[in-house]
Amino acid sequence: KQEVTQIPAALSVPEGENLVLNCSFTDSAIYNLQWFRQDPGKGLTSLLLIQSSQREQTSGRLNASLDKSSGRSTLYIAASQPGDSATYLCAPRMDSNYQLIWGAGTKLIIKP
Amino acid sequence: GAGVSQSPSNKVTEKGKDVELRCDPISGHTALYWYRQSLGQGLEFLIYFQGNSAPDKSGLPSDRFSAERTGGSVSTLTIQRTQQEDSAVYLCASSLAIGDFLRGELFFGEGSRLTVL
Repeated sequence: KQEVTQIPAALSVPEGENLVLNCSFTDSAIYNLQWFRQDPGKGLTSLLLIQSSQREQTSGRLNASLDKSSGRSTLYIAASQPGDSATYLCAPRMDSNYQLIWGAGTKLIIKP
Repeated sequence: GAGVSQSPSNKVTEKGKDVELRCDPISGHTALYWYRQSLGQGLEFLIYFQGNSAPDKSGLPSDRFSAERTGGSVSTLTIQRTQQEDSAVYLCASSLAIGDFLRGELFFGEGSRLTVL
């Protein structure tokens, strides 16, 4: 059974810092992996999708990496801004049934 | 509609009562998903509808949970004889089709927060 762990559970940093959010998963048989953002009381928004054959994917100030064989993904946020404050969720998509398996998220606070 | 719409946004009920949660997906989206998010936990898959195919109910936690999707559009998730452990945010998402889901094009509603007293 796939288990997804996100570390740290919470992070508070000053504006402008670069930061890394970590995601690990136990079953490497994944189709792809997505990173989502969740704002309080809101639904989820997809940030990045990285295919199992890819090593990294970039969108603006966000960069996601994937090391499938070791069961790890990271989300790098450059030059953080208060508007980046949210919970970030990692979800690998399984090869077997294409379902997303979710981590509990990292709650990020960027202080002005 | 412009986005996925869920109602009610908040529901407080007493243990043992039945509740219905509604999801109106983006117009034209054939794939619809229900997830449950308990406090401090990741999302838990509940059920998946794709077009007119039989739904994938493999994530429903007990027979007190059921869902239907009428006319290939609006979906209702019903929880019978609610228990305190059912308290969670119930999220609905839709995709145009399965291929879009696999490409990560999944659109979420704002969720229905259920509190069972």
